[in-house]
Amino acid sequence: GAVVSQHPSWVICKSGTSVKIECRSLDFQATTMFWYRQFPKQSLMLMATSNEGSKATYEQGVEKDKFLINHASLTLSTLTVTSAHPEDSSFYICSASRDLYNEQFFGPGTRLTVL
Amino acid sequence: ILNVEQSPQSLHVQEGDSTNFTCSFPSSNFYALHWYRWETAKSPEALFVMTLNGDEKKKGRISATLNTKEGYSYLYIKGSQPEDSATYLCASQGGDYKLSFGAGTTVTVRA
Repeated sequence: GAVVSQHPSWVICKSGTSVKIECRSLDFQATTMFWYRQFPKQSLMLMATSNEGSKATYEQGVEKDKFLINHASLTLSTLTVTSAHPEDSSFYICSASRDLYNEQFFGPGTRLTVL
Repeated sequence: ILNVEQSPQSLHVQEGDSTNFTCSFPSSNFYALHWYRWETAKSPEALFVMTLNGDEKKKGRISATLNTKEGYSYLYIKGSQPEDSATYLCASQGGDYKLSFGAGTTVTVRA
């Protein structure tokens, strides 16, 4: 299978700061990348879908101005949590795919804790 | 986003025993059912993708079946080994490209 990395694996930040999470496809070109969030004991929930070179599509209830997504190349997408608050503390995980309907390959996730 | 449920939430199985667990999903507007294996601190690993009613897939000691008419899939582990300990996720894919995940079944194999 294809390899997707995510960085950092965990981050602790103060309330009000911004945090950037990187998602990289290491051995294939990912036209589409997905960002998910998982709260404790809940399922992975899709936050947004990004296509290389275009604006991300956000799921209902996800604030696009708070969760900035950039998919500037076929191997890199970034998620920036702006002005993070304790309620943003969660597990964020990305996946990458060759196209919208193709198999998704997941990164290992990022644990965000906002104090 | 589809309502996907997995049961049980967790289970413990003795090494060498077989086990199975369930994923239920809406049967309308169904496109595909995905199973992933997720070990702690690692990436979820795709096990199976199934699309047709009656599909059965096998990978080593792990197999899965699919019933799209009634909206459920079973995952079976035969002769469980400690390395099978993981969380198993299912995800249903409807008419669009999006995956709707269940909360997972965490399997712990006791030596």
